[in-house]
Amino acid sequence: DARVTQTPRDKVTEMGQEVTMRCQPILGHNTVFWYRQTMMQGLELLAYFRNRAPLDDSGMPKDRFSAEMPDATLATLKIQPSEPRDSAVYFCASGSGPPKGELFFGEGSRLTVL
Amino acid sequence: AQTVTQSQPEMSVQEAETVTLSCTYDTSENNYYLFWYKQPPSRQMILVIRQEAYKQQNATENRFSVNFQKAAKSFSLKISDSQLGDTAMYFCAFGGFNTDKLIFGTGTRLQVFP
Repeated sequence: DARVTQTPRDKVTEMGQEVTMRCQPILGHNTVFWYRQTMMQGLELLAYFRNRAPLDDSGMPKDRFSAEMPDATLATLKIQPSEPRDSAVYFCASGSGPPKGELFFGEGSRLTVL
Repeated sequence: AQTVTQSQPEMSVQEAETVTLSCTYDTSENNYYLFWYKQPPSRQMILVIRQEAYKQQNATENRFSVNFQKAAKSFSLKISDSQLGDTAMYFCAFGGFNTDKLIFGTGTRLQVFP
């Protein structure tokens, strides 16, 4: 059963520490997305890739966030340094683009920054 | 820019009853997709149903059906014979036919009571 795999599931860290979240998209999907979910903002798109190329990272605070796809089986989202306001659930999703359109989500990484 | 609005932050329904969740959207595109995702307490985002805008027939998946009104830009989700396992956040999402991204609404929290 193909699925998007994310690690870690939960992470508690202290302010100022580096946090790296990892995602393995579904094999054969050519788009990968990072979303952040908070109570106040809902689901926000942070960044996305098509065929490993970054296409849109306008939703991401560039001074502390970075997203990469070193290869087709791995996407990473890094926060350095982390701040309490970064506490949220971070979702990775992958898709095959039009004409199907839907995205398949991982279970999310819950980040708590103290 | 496309927007998705879910005007019902919370709803409740008794088991076995029917409930309808509302969603409206704004777009200047003629071809697009619409989706409903379910997020149970486990936080996994699960695709419930999808609708292509060029199809006049409303999509149906078992107990889940949609009322798609293209002219009114309305896309409501009807859940029939509600079950306790339907308790979750429900997100409406818009996807352009020529884009990869999905735009999500703020969600409706549905509670099913015994």
